[in-house]
Amino acid sequence: AQSVAQPEDQVNVAEGNPLTVKCTYSVSGNPYLFWYVQYPNRGLQFLLKYITGDNLVKGSYGFEAEFNKSQTSFHLKKPSALVSDSALYFCAVRDGSGGYNKLIFGAGTRLAVHP
Amino acid sequence: EAGVTQSPTHLIKTRGQQATLRCSPISGHTSVYWYQQALGLGLQFLLWYDEGEERNRGNFPPRFSGRQFPNYSSELNVNALELEDSALYLCASSPWDRGSYEQYFGPGTRLTVT
Repeated sequence: AQSVAQPEDQVNVAEGNPLTVKCTYSVSGNPYLFWYVQYPNRGLQFLLKYITGDNLVKGSYGFEAEFNKSQTSFHLKKPSALVSDSALYFCAVRDGSGGYNKLIFGAGTRLAVHP
Repeated sequence: EAGVTQSPTHLIKTRGQQATLRCSPISGHTSVYWYQQALGLGLQFLLWYDEGEERNRGNFPPRFSGRQFPNYSSELNVNALELEDSALYLCASSPWDRGSYEQYFGPGTRLTVT
Protein backbone atom coordinates (compact mmCIF):
# COMPACT_ATOMS: atom_id res chain seq x y z
CA ALA A 1 0.00 0.00 0.00
CA GLN A 2 1.12 3.53 -0.74
CA SER A 3 1.96 5.74 2.21
CA VAL A 4 3.82 8.87 3.19
CA ALA A 5 5.33 9.87 6.50
CA GLN A 6 6.13 13.33 7.77
CA PRO A 7 8.28 12.68 10.81
CA GLU A 8 8.08 16.19 12.26
CA ASP A 9 4.89 17.65 13.68
CA GLN A 10 6.44 21.11 13.71
CA VAL A 11 9.49 22.83 12.26
CA ASN A 12 10.73 26.13 13.64
CA VAL A 13 12.96 28.37 11.54
CA ALA A 14 14.21 31.90 11.84
CA GLU A 15 13.31 34.25 9.01
CA GLY A 16 16.05 34.32 6.38
CA ASN A 17 17.35 30.87 7.27
CA PRO A 18 16.95 27.85 4.99
CA LEU A 19 14.12 25.49 5.77
CA THR A 20 13.55 21.79 5.21
CA VAL A 21 10.31 19.88 5.74
CA LYS A 22 10.82 16.15 5.60
CA CYS A 23 8.79 13.49 3.82
CA THR A 24 9.42 9.82 3.21
CA TYR A 25 7.28 7.56 1.08
CA SER A 26 6.47 3.94 0.45
CA VAL A 27 5.04 2.97 -2.92
CA SER A 28 4.84 0.06 -5.27
CA GLY A 29 5.86 1.20 -8.70
CA ASN A 30 6.90 4.68 -9.72
CA PRO A 31 6.18 7.37 -7.14
CA TYR A 32 4.11 10.40 -8.03
CA LEU A 33 4.79 12.86 -5.21
CA PHE A 34 3.31 16.21 -4.28
CA TRP A 35 3.62 19.02 -1.76
CA TYR A 36 0.69 21.16 -0.69
CA VAL A 37 0.41 24.05 1.75
CA GLN A 38 -2.62 24.95 3.87
CA TYR A 39 -3.10 28.33 5.47
CA PRO A 40 -5.55 28.70 8.40
CA ASN A 41 -9.17 28.09 7.41
CA ARG A 42 -8.19 27.60 3.80
CA GLY A 43 -7.99 24.74 1.36
CA LEU A 44 -4.80 23.18 0.08
CA GLN A 45 -2.60 24.98 -2.40
CA PHE A 46 -0.47 22.96 -4.79
CA LEU A 47 3.25 23.75 -4.47
CA LEU A 48 5.07 21.23 -6.65
CA LYS A 49 5.21 17.68 -7.91
CA TYR A 50 7.62 14.97 -8.91
CA ILE A 51 6.51 12.62 -11.67
CA THR A 52 9.74 11.85 -13.46
CA GLY A 53 12.92 13.56 -14.58
CA ASP A 54 15.24 15.78 -12.55
CA ASN A 55 15.49 14.95 -8.88
CA LEU A 56 15.32 18.64 -7.93
CA VAL A 57 11.87 20.02 -8.57
CA LYS A 58 11.08 23.73 -8.41
CA GLY A 59 7.68 24.99 -7.43
CA SER A 60 5.68 27.99 -6.33
CA TYR A 61 6.77 30.73 -3.89
CA GLY A 62 10.46 29.78 -4.12
CA PHE A 63 9.99 26.25 -2.80
CA GLU A 64 11.78 23.25 -4.21
CA ALA A 65 11.91 19.58 -3.35
CA GLU A 66 14.55 16.92 -3.74
CA PHE A 67 13.53 13.44 -4.78
CA ASN A 68 15.85 10.73 -3.46
CA LYS A 69 14.97 7.27 -4.65
CA SER A 70 17.51 5.38 -2.53
CA GLN A 71 16.29 7.07 0.65
CA THR A 72 12.65 7.12 -0.49
CA SER A 73 12.46 10.76 0.49
CA PHE A 74 10.96 13.90 -0.99
CA HIS A 75 11.99 16.76 1.28
CA LEU A 76 10.65 20.27 0.76
CA LYS A 77 13.19 23.07 0.88
CA LYS A 78 13.49 26.82 0.62
CA PRO A 79 16.79 28.75 0.73
CA SER A 80 15.46 31.67 2.75
CA ALA A 81 12.30 31.41 4.89
CA LEU A 82 9.72 34.16 5.18
CA VAL A 83 7.34 34.75 8.08
CA SER A 84 4.53 34.41 5.54
CA ASP A 85 5.66 30.81 4.86
CA SER A 86 4.25 29.85 8.26
CA ALA A 87 1.53 27.29 7.49
CA LEU A 88 0.70 23.59 7.47
CA TYR A 89 2.53 21.56 4.83
CA PHE A 90 1.38 18.24 3.45
CA CYS A 91 3.31 15.69 1.45
CA ALA A 92 1.20 13.39 -0.71
CA VAL A 93 1.60 10.40 -2.99
CA ARG A 94 -0.74 9.32 -5.74
CA ASP A 95 -2.37 5.93 -5.34
CA GLY A 96 -3.40 4.64 -8.75
CA SER A 97 -3.74 1.01 -7.72
CA GLY A 98 -6.96 -0.92 -8.04
CA GLY A 99 -8.59 1.69 -10.20
CA TYR A 100 -8.03 4.45 -7.70
CA ASN A 101 -6.81 7.93 -8.55
CA LYS A 102 -6.45 9.44 -5.12
CA LEU A 103 -3.88 11.29 -3.09
CA ILE A 104 -2.66 9.82 0.16
CA PHE A 105 -1.49 12.52 2.50
CA GLY A 106 0.98 12.62 5.32
CA ALA A 107 -0.15 13.93 8.70
CA GLY A 108 1.21 17.36 7.94
CA THR A 109 4.05 19.47 9.34
CA ARG A 110 3.43 22.85 10.85
CA LEU A 111 6.09 25.34 9.81
CA ALA A 112 6.65 28.31 12.07
CA VAL A 113 8.96 31.02 10.79
CA HIS A 114 10.00 33.48 13.48
CA PRO A 115 11.06 37.08 12.76
CA GLU B 1 -8.87 31.51 -14.30
CA ALA B 2 -11.27 30.78 -11.47
CA GLY B 3 -10.26 28.07 -9.04
CA VAL B 4 -12.34 25.36 -7.45
CA THR B 5 -15.30 26.83 -5.60
CA GLN B 6 -17.29 25.28 -2.79
CA SER B 7 -20.50 26.21 -1.03
CA PRO B 8 -21.51 26.82 1.60
CA THR B 9 -18.45 27.96 3.53
CA HIS B 10 -19.92 26.82 6.80
CA LEU B 11 -22.76 24.44 7.55
CA ILE B 12 -24.25 23.67 10.95
CA LYS B 13 -26.52 20.67 11.29
CA THR B 14 -27.89 18.56 14.10
CA ARG B 15 -27.31 14.87 14.49
CA GLY B 16 -29.53 12.77 12.24
CA GLN B 17 -30.04 15.49 9.64
CA GLN B 18 -28.73 15.50 6.07
CA ALA B 19 -26.06 17.81 4.68
CA THR B 20 -25.47 18.77 1.06
CA LEU B 21 -22.16 20.26 -0.01
CA ARG B 22 -21.46 21.64 -3.47
CA CYS B 23 -18.36 21.99 -5.62
CA SER B 24 -17.57 23.59 -8.96
CA PRO B 25 -14.33 22.43 -10.57
CA ILE B 26 -11.86 24.47 -12.55
CA SER B 27 -13.11 25.02 -16.07
CA GLY B 28 -11.99 22.15 -18.29
CA HIS B 29 -11.47 19.72 -15.42
CA THR B 30 -13.60 16.61 -15.65
CA SER B 31 -12.57 14.87 -12.44
CA VAL B 32 -13.80 15.88 -9.00
CA TYR B 33 -12.56 14.45 -5.71
CA TRP B 34 -13.88 14.81 -2.19
CA TYR B 35 -11.71 14.59 0.92
CA GLN B 36 -12.50 14.83 4.60
CA GLN B 37 -10.14 16.65 6.94
CA ALA B 38 -11.16 15.78 10.44
CA LEU B 39 -9.30 16.81 13.56
CA GLY B 40 -6.82 14.11 14.48
CA LEU B 41 -7.56 12.01 11.39
CA GLY B 42 -5.83 14.01 8.71
CA LEU B 43 -6.92 14.16 5.10
CA GLN B 44 -8.86 11.14 3.91
CA PHE B 45 -10.11 10.35 0.43
CA LEU B 46 -13.89 10.12 0.17
CA LEU B 47 -15.02 9.95 -3.47
CA TRP B 48 -13.83 10.38 -7.05
CA TYR B 49 -16.13 11.36 -9.91
CA ASP B 50 -15.18 11.57 -13.54
CA GLU B 51 -17.38 12.19 -16.55
CA GLY B 52 -20.47 11.90 -14.41
CA GLU B 53 -19.61 8.52 -12.94
CA GLU B 54 -18.47 7.53 -9.48
CA ARG B 55 -15.06 5.96 -10.16
CA ASN B 56 -14.04 5.06 -6.65
CA ARG B 57 -14.73 5.69 -3.01
CA GLY B 58 -12.72 5.61 0.17
CA ASN B 59 -13.39 3.74 3.37
CA PHE B 60 -16.56 5.62 4.34
CA PRO B 61 -20.07 4.30 5.03
CA PRO B 62 -22.78 4.44 2.32
CA ARG B 63 -24.45 7.42 3.99
CA PHE B 64 -21.70 9.44 2.31
CA SER B 65 -22.75 9.74 -1.31
CA GLY B 66 -22.71 12.20 -4.13
CA ARG B 67 -23.03 12.83 -7.79
CA GLN B 68 -21.49 14.72 -10.65
CA PHE B 69 -23.60 16.80 -12.99
CA PRO B 70 -23.21 17.21 -16.77
CA ASN B 71 -21.33 20.49 -16.21
CA TYR B 72 -18.87 18.53 -13.99
CA SER B 73 -19.92 20.24 -10.79
CA SER B 74 -20.49 17.89 -7.91
CA GLU B 75 -22.53 17.43 -4.80
CA LEU B 76 -21.65 15.52 -1.65
CA ASN B 77 -24.50 14.29 0.51
CA VAL B 78 -24.10 13.07 4.04
CA ASN B 79 -27.16 11.38 5.49
CA ALA B 80 -27.97 10.58 9.12
CA LEU B 81 -25.29 12.94 10.37
CA GLU B 82 -23.19 11.87 13.31
CA LEU B 83 -21.10 14.05 15.59
CA GLU B 84 -17.89 12.60 14.16
CA ASP B 85 -18.85 13.86 10.70
CA SER B 86 -17.80 17.32 11.86
CA ALA B 87 -14.87 18.21 9.63
CA LEU B 88 -13.60 20.34 6.79
CA TYR B 89 -14.73 18.83 3.50
CA LEU B 90 -12.42 19.63 0.62
CA CYS B 91 -13.24 19.30 -3.04
CA ALA B 92 -10.52 19.04 -5.66
CA SER B 93 -10.47 18.83 -9.42
CA SER B 94 -8.04 17.65 -12.06
CA PRO B 95 -8.07 17.39 -15.82
CA TRP B 96 -7.53 13.59 -15.72
CA ASP B 97 -4.67 14.10 -18.09
CA ARG B 98 -2.19 11.26 -17.85
CA GLY B 99 1.12 12.73 -16.82
CA SER B 100 -0.46 15.44 -14.71
CA TYR B 101 -2.13 13.94 -11.62
CA GLU B 102 -2.01 16.99 -9.36
CA GLN B 103 -5.30 17.99 -7.84
CA TYR B 104 -6.41 21.54 -7.21
CA PHE B 105 -8.38 22.16 -4.07
CA GLY B 106 -11.17 24.49 -3.13
CA PRO B 107 -11.39 26.38 0.17
CA GLY B 108 -13.57 23.73 1.78
CA THR B 109 -16.89 23.54 3.60
CA ARG B 110 -16.71 23.42 7.38
CA LEU B 111 -19.47 21.06 8.57
CA THR B 112 -20.36 21.18 12.23
CA VAL B 113 -22.74 18.57 13.63
CA THR B 114 -24.27 19.32 17.02
